[in-house]
Amino acid sequence: GQSLEQPSEVTAVEGAIVQINCTYQTSGFYGLSWYQQHDGGAPTFLSYNALDGLEETGRFSSFLSRSDSYGYLLLQELQMKDSASYFCAVRDWRSGSARQLTFGSGTQLTVLP
Amino acid sequence: EAQVTQNPRYLITVTGKKLTVTCSQNMNHEYMSWYRQDPGLGLRQIYYSMNVEVTDKGDVPEGYKVSRKEKRNFPLILESPSPNQTSLYFCASSTGFGTDTQYFGPGTRLTVL
Repeated sequence: GQSLEQPSEVTAVEGAIVQINCTYQTSGFYGLSWYQQHDGGAPTFLSYNALDGLEETGRFSSFLSRSDSYGYLLLQELQMKDSASYFCAVRDWRSGSARQLTFGSGTQLTVLP
Repeated sequence: EAQVTQNPRYLITVTGKKLTVTCSQNMNHEYMSWYRQDPGLGLRQIYYSMNVEVTDKGDVPEGYKVSRKEKRNFPLILESPSPNQTSLYFCASSTGFGTDTQYFGPGTRLTVL
């Protein structure tokens, strides 16, 4: 089956850089996504990696190493509003479809002033 | 405004009383899915649909039904709810290709007594 591991909690101070790791086990890997969810809100898409390397979107970057079954989300210049849960999600082939997503259990990021 | 809507947002019901949670999207997306979110377990996929009249089971389909008679609507049906179905439910839609960004609805908090 599919499984993902990410830390349950991370704490950092405003202005710092934080990295949230995600390791996965799956067959037929297709891509790794990251989602942000504030308390009481819906998950929102942050980034997607299908190929090895770094993808940068403003203060957020995401990295993937398919050979290591590993990825991370890098948040720079942390702001208080970045306090939220962050989920990695693996997209893989199952039953002939690449459209199933399996989510990790989430990392609660707390940004301190 | 592009969005996914769900109704109701909050529901308290009793064991065995059939209920339906509606989901509608206005982005002409082919792919829609239902997730449940429980503390410490992340988002788990219940059912998904790749197009009208095409549905398939996700990771936790037991006790749920879905239908996709129109492209924009994807209702979730609990024929005989039980307390272990108390959860936060999210509907999501996507194009099904490229980054396959999932657009989530606001969520439905269901309590089964």
